[in-house]
Amino acid sequence: ELKVEQNPLFLSMQEGKNYTIYCNYSTTSDRLYWYRQDPGKSLESLFVLLSNGAVKQEGRLMASLDTKARLSTLHITAAVHDLSATYFCAVDNGGSQGNLIFGKGTKLSVKP
Amino acid sequence: NAGVTQTPKFQVLKTGQSMTLQCAQDMNHEYMSWYRQDPGMGLRLIHYSVGAGITDQGEVPNGYNVSRSTTEDFPLRLLSAAPSQTSVYFCASSYSGLGVYEQYFGPGTRLTVT
Repeated sequence: ELKVEQNPLFLSMQEGKNYTIYCNYSTTSDRLYWYRQDPGKSLESLFVLLSNGAVKQEGRLMASLDTKARLSTLHITAAVHDLSATYFCAVDNGGSQGNLIFGKGTKLSVKP
Repeated sequence: NAGVTQTPKFQVLKTGQSMTLQCAQDMNHEYMSWYRQDPGMGLRLIHYSVGAGITDQGEVPNGYNVSRSTTEDFPLRLLSAAPSQTSVYFCASSYSGLGVYEQYFGPGTRLTVT
């Protein structure tokens, strides 16, 4: 059974600082997704990582995937208040498409 | 494109009542899914469909039914609502372009069962 674990679950950062969110998963998969959710809103796709060594960057966020270690990271550079949100990673469960297993999310709060 | 739409946005039910949450997409996506989101639990898959006429169970299917008669629509039925089904429900759709199954989420339905 595929399990996805994120840490930390809560993260309070100061503006301008760097930090990394980790996403570990328990069985082989080569498709991993990162989503952002603002309070009371739906999920917005950030990154799709499809292969070992994949790295994608958008603004102050950079995501990477190590399929051998079953680990993805979401790195935040020089955080700003607008990045405050909950971030989820999700892993394709294989076989039937549309079947994603989500981590519990990391609630990020960026303070001035 | 409207993307993925869900109705209603909010709903209050009494225990034992039944209702249907509607989901529609206009992107001609093959795959559609229903998730529930509870505080501290992330999103959990309820049911999913890989095409019209084909559905399957996810992690937490008990108490819910689905059907997929058209590509566009994927309603979720609560047979006899229970307080444990109080949650936010998200519908999502995706397609298998280039092996990527990026999911597009609807705005959600906030359901309270009293």
